[in-house]
Amino acid sequence: EVQLVESGGGLVQPGGSLRLSCAAYGFTVSSNHMSWVRQAPGKGLEWVSVFYSGGTTYYADSVRGRFTISRDNSKNTLFLQMNNLRTEDTSVFYCARGSPVFSWGQGTLVTVSS
Amino acid sequence: EIVLTQSPATLSLSPGERATLSCRASQSVSGSYLAWYQQKPGQAPRLLIYGPSSRATGIPDRFSGSGSGTDFTLTISRLEPEDSAVYYCQQYGGSLWTFGQGTKVEIK
Repeated sequence: EVQLVESGGGLVQPGGSLRLSCAAYGFTVSSNHMSWVRQAPGKGLEWVSVFYSGGTTYYADSVRGRFTISRDNSKNTLFLQMNNLRTEDTSVFYCARGSPVFSWGQGTLVTVSS
Repeated sequence: EIVLTQSPATLSLSPGERATLSCRASQSVSGSYLAWYQQKPGQAPRLLIYGPSSRATGIPDRFSGSGSGTDFTLTISRLEPEDSAVYYCQQYGGSLWTFGQGTKVEIK
C-alpha cells in the first residue's frame, strides 16, 4: 500500500528554520516525481516545490532561496528544509507523489509565530 | 507563472443536478497538463481528473473533465450529497506548478 508520512512540523519563531520529512512506503521515491504543497489555515492549496525523478528541482517564487527540497534514496524519504521562515509560511504542508499528484500525505502543521 | 482563475467561487445546487466548474488559465497550459482535485474539510486533496479528461482510479463516472489551451471544465453530472467539497484545478508538469483558488460546491 502506498503511504506518505510527514513529520517535522511545529511552532517556530519568525526567522527560524525547520526540516520536514516525508517517509514513503510502497513505492520508491527516486523513481517518482515528488512535491510539497501547502495550505494556510482556511485558504486554498499552494504548490511549494517539486523534485522530478530525473533530479531537477523547482520552487514557487514565494519560497525560492529560503526552502530546499531534497531526497535520501537510502531512506526512501523526501525532505523540505525551510529557512528564514515568515509568519505567512504558517500552513499545513503536504507531501505528494506524482505529476499530477496521485497520492498525498496527511499533512504536517507548521506555525510561524513569536 | 500561469495563473488559474476558477469560477464560480461557490456553487449551491440540489442532489441530482449538474455542476459545471470553470478553470481559466492566463496562458496556454502545455500538453493539457491540467488536473482537478476534490478536498473535504480536514482531509488531504484527492485527484479526480487529469490530462485534462482522464479519470483517476476509483473516481465515479459522474465526474468528467474537458477543455484545452486556456479553458477547462469539470462537470459533475448528477450531484450526490458526498460531492460537497472544495474543488481545485492545477496545472503541472513544468517548472512552476499552480493551483486555482478553488470552487466550493454546496449541496442544498
